[in-house]
Amino acid sequence: GAGVSQSPSNKVTEKGKDVELRCDPISGHTALYWYRQRLGQGLEFLIYFQGNSAPDKSGLPSDRFSAERTGESVSTLTIQRTQQEDSAVYLCASSLVGQGAQGYGYTFGSGTRLTVV
Amino acid sequence: GENVEQHPSTLSVQEGDSAVIKCTYSDSASNYFPWYKQELGKRPQLIIDIRSNVGEKKDQRIAVTLNKTAKHFSLHITETQPEDSAVYFCASRKAGTALIFGKGTTLSVSS
Repeated sequence: GAGVSQSPSNKVTEKGKDVELRCDPISGHTALYWYRQRLGQGLEFLIYFQGNSAPDKSGLPSDRFSAERTGESVSTLTIQRTQQEDSAVYLCASSLVGQGAQGYGYTFGSGTRLTVV
Repeated sequence: GENVEQHPSTLSVQEGDSAVIKCTYSDSASNYFPWYKQELGKRPQLIIDIRSNVGEKKDQRIAVTLNKTAKHFSLHITETQPEDSAVYFCASRKAGTALIFGKGTTLSVSS
């Protein structure tokens, strides 16, 4: 697609419920990232997918968080047994990855605003 | 892992003045340093980036400088305008990893 699409845009859930957030990256972008942004805060790295390599899960805050990616397309971030501190905007981004591992800028989606009540 | 420190956390300037935001990084293997602008309620957008083989890059009113020895890089905005008001994030990465972001600088430009 033309941009990174995330759904839903807003999600209100009860504490203890599971939620799934979806990200559809730009076609051709082999790298996909999830970040969390609490209100008024910075971007906290969660997980990074690159092609068929094992994902870098080093940013996941607890075992309640998991993510999957199908090939080089859609990714889902799952939060189990949600807690109030999970309330945040979850941002997905995708990018190219150059030869020699040169960095390229990310294109972010609009995010999913998760509210746990 | 990589750690990125960003200063100041808030910056207020008069329209037409210059603004400078500074970041330091910890991992000497980092090789890519982008800057993002995030307006209220919107997604972060890339405004400029620099790679480790370059010391300075300029794009109209914005410029970024990189000092690899000292492990710091800076964003310079000249002739600031009210529409430059936003939160600015620096970031860094090394090969095979994701960007690590600073905590952001809220820039306010008053007319």
